[in-house]
Formats: sequence, C-alpha cells, structure tokens
Amino acid sequence: DADVTQTPRNRITKTGKRIMLECSQTKGHDRMYWYRQDPGLGLRLIYYSFDVKDINKGEISDGYSVSRQAQAKFSLSLESAIPNQTALYFCATSDASGRLVDNEQFFGPGTRLTVL
Amino acid sequence: AQKITQTQPGMFVQEKEAVTLDCTYDTSDQSYGLFWYKQPSSGEMIFLIYQGSYDEQNATEGRYSLNFQKARKSANLVISASQLGDSAMYFCAMREGNFGNEKLTFGTGTRLTIIP
Repeated sequence: DADVTQTPRNRITKTGKRIMLECSQTKGHDRMYWYRQDPGLGLRLIYYSFDVKDINKGEISDGYSVSRQAQAKFSLSLESAIPNQTALYFCATSDASGRLVDNEQFFGPGTRLTVL
Repeated sequence: AQKITQTQPGMFVQEKEAVTLDCTYDTSDQSYGLFWYKQPSSGEMIFLIYQGSYDEQNATEGRYSLNFQKARKSANLVISASQLGDSAMYFCAMREGNFGNEKLTFGTGTRLTIIP
C-alpha cells in the first residue's frame, strides 16, 4: 500500500463549487504539506503543518484553506473554485527528527483538478 | 531573485550517454539541503538524491550523482549511462531555514528526453 495517498485522483468541477482534496499518510510523519504544480512554474507551497495544532500559510495560500484532522490526515479546501486553480495538487510528508534540512519529502500521487 | 534556477527547459540525449542537468541556488543560510526529484509522465514525484551543505563529498545513488560546487552555488545532477526510462521532468529543490521555519523551494524543472 502507498505511504501517502490522495483522494480523489482526478476531479472536474465548476466555478464557484466547494472542493475538498484529502491526504492520508501511514509514514508516521508529523509534517505535512500541500503544493500545486502548474506547467513551467514547478511546485509551489500552499500550506504546511508541523503537527496537528500547527498550520502555516505557504507561498500561495489565497483561495485555499486546510484542516489537519489528525497526524495522518491533512485536507485542502477550495471554498469557491475558480478556473485558475486548475492544476496538479500534491500532498507531501516529512519527518521532524534529526537535522531538518536532511529530511526529504515524500509525495502522494497527486490530484489533477480541473475547474471549468 | 529566484531561489532555485534550472536554465534548461528541455534536453535531448542519446541513450547510454551521460547527462548533466543544471541547478543553481541562492541562499544566505549556512545549513541547507539540496534535493533532486524525478517526475515521469505518470505524474508522481520520485526522490532521487540529496546533498547537505555541510557534506564534503558529492552524493551518489546508483547511476545518479550530484556535482556540488558550493562556492558557485550549483548542484548539478549527473545521470550516467542514460536509459529510456530516464525520460521525465527533473526538479531541483532546496530546503533551508531554521527549526520550525524550514521550507522546500522547487525550480521550474528540466524535461529530459532520451533518444533510442
């Protein structure tokens, strides 16, 4: 079974709809992240969470919100989806032990979201 | 200024040849980490190799090596004996910051195509 899972894998929705993307992990990591990927722009950080009670805005948080329901679950919501939020969304996790700059991030398979 | 710069949007390389993917970075931190990820057409992000700023030797992982030149702030990925399965997007990323505030910043990627 995959260590980091994302649901749904693909979603097509309409402008103005509320959308939730879910992420679950079995790696036991404290830290979880949401990124979006757009062609030519690489991955950009939306929100991140270092533990259940900690939520932080990333580079591009406007129009998004998150919820850390448990250590293993981190969901991303688009309250009112718009077409320029069409992108590939990744959830990632990392360990908090040792030297932090050493810790790679483990990525989920991605959710392809299309907003019409 | 860009934190991570990948100047090669696309590269074509003959199978079995070695290939170097360029990455330069910008940070004022003394402790930071550099990562390379591979993204095949299926979309998932696969961790390849890591180099810490304090590591004196270049990192190697199988056919992958990282040519780390700290004074030049470059961290180029070298793939030896390229294979058709190496065709993918490759992202360089940097982790910097202090405990509780570290971030992972990605470059815009290089699309590598291996020609039979």
